[in-house]
Amino acid sequence: GQQLNQSPQSMFIQEGEDVSMNCTSSSIFNTWLWYKQDPGEGPVLLIALYKAGELTSNGRLTAQFGITRKDSFLNISASIPSDVGIYFCAGHQGAQKLVFGQGTRLTINP
Amino acid sequence: DAGVTQSPTHLIKTRGQQVTLRCSPKSGHDTVSWYQQALGQGPQFIFQYYEEEERQRGNFPDRFSGHQFPNYSSELNVNALLLGDSALYLCASSAIQAAGANVLTFGAGSRLTVL
Repeated sequence: GQQLNQSPQSMFIQEGEDVSMNCTSSSIFNTWLWYKQDPGEGPVLLIALYKAGELTSNGRLTAQFGITRKDSFLNISASIPSDVGIYFCAGHQGAQKLVFGQGTRLTINP
Repeated sequence: DAGVTQSPTHLIKTRGQQVTLRCSPKSGHDTVSWYQQALGQGPQFIFQYYEEEERQRGNFPDRFSGHQFPNYSSELNVNALLLGDSALYLCASSAIQAAGANVLTFGAGSRLTVL
C-alpha cells in the first residue's frame, strides 16, 4: 500500500529554536495535511495543502506542498513548550481515505 | 459545539471476545471514518461510512465491521479479538458537500487493550 516516510522520527531541541520536518512518498497525493497529536488525544489539523507548490502559513507554522506532489515539509519557528507532541503528515489519493506517516516526536528542552 | 465524541475511552477485553466502539460526529458532518493507531505508529484507515453505507475500506479483515445510523453516528465492531488488535481506535468525521471536504476532525479515541 501507499507509504509516507516521515523524517526525522524524533527531535530534541531547545526552546526558541526553529524546527523542520518532512514527508516523502513514492506515490502522488492530491492533498497534504499536517496534524499534531498530544498524549491521550486524537490528531488535530494544523495545515492543509491542496495545490502542488502551495506554501501556507498558520502562525509560527509554515508548510509546503511539493511540486512533484510526492513530498511536503513543515517548519515551526521559535519553538515554545506547547509545541511538544507528535507531528503527522497525511495525504489523500482522490477519495476520503487518509494515509499517515509514522510521525515525528518533538521534545523541547526549556 | 461538540466535536467528535467517542465511547468508551478505555476498555479491556480478552482474546476471542467481541467489542463495539461508538462515535458521534461533529455537528454538521455526515461522513464517519475509523482509524486504528498502534502504539508508536500513525493511524491506519479501517473504513469510511456515508449515507449508512461503507464507501471505502482499508486493508483490514472481515472481523472489523461497522455501521452508520440515520443520525450519522457510527459503530465499529471487532469480532474474535486478537492480541494485535490492541490499539487506539480513532473516529473522524467530515462533511462531504462542504468546502475543504477532505479535512477530517478526529475524536480522542477509544483505547482497546486485548489480554
